[in-house]
Amino acid sequence: EPEVTQTPSHQVTQMGQEVILRCVPISNHLYFYWYRQILGQKVEFLVSFYNNEISEKSEIFDDQFSVERPDGSNFTLKIRSTKLEDSAMYFCASGEAGGWTGELFFGEGSRLTVL
Amino acid sequence: KNEVEQSPQNLTAQEGEFITINCSYSVGISALHWLQQHPGGGIVSLFMLSSGKKKHGRLIATINIQEKHSSLHITASHPRDSAVYICAVKGAQKLVFGQGTRLTINP
Repeated sequence: EPEVTQTPSHQVTQMGQEVILRCVPISNHLYFYWYRQILGQKVEFLVSFYNNEISEKSEIFDDQFSVERPDGSNFTLKIRSTKLEDSAMYFCASGEAGGWTGELFFGEGSRLTVL
Repeated sequence: KNEVEQSPQNLTAQEGEFITINCSYSVGISALHWLQQHPGGGIVSLFMLSSGKKKHGRLIATINIQEKHSSLHITASHPRDSAVYICAVKGAQKLVFGQGTRLTINP
């Protein structure tokens, strides 16, 4: 069964370092999302991406975050200069359709620890 | 802004019991997802529904659009059902998540 894969599963980094989290969505999906979950808190929306551009982003997704689809298969989330409060589980999701009917498929998550 | 509230926050039951988890939301939506989060953190989609009822194995999900309420039921619960169950509601693009219900099924 097709699945969304994320790497790395766990990354530890020093504050101020750049981090890139990678996702391989399901191959025929067109809509891509990043969510994050700080330990003990709700899952929060970060950004949605369609047709090679951001379609919606939350207030969390500030200038230190960026997303890219560099090669038609990977979907990356870059955090330019990590802060302690960026420590969280980051989930990638993809869907075949957006809007009202799109079912989402989640990756297993990438746990980021910022020291 | 859509608020999503789940109840209960924690639920412990014995194997075989019938389980109900509730979700209420504050504004109109297009669809509602029930998700399962494993102890390791991974998220699996259980159901997406916009009306009525869906059943998959021992899991049943219902939604009442007028009352802005959904329920997830588990029949003949089993220790392997122990997980966090999350309700998330969908607008045009993003999901808004509830805080989750931690379910523990004891043998």
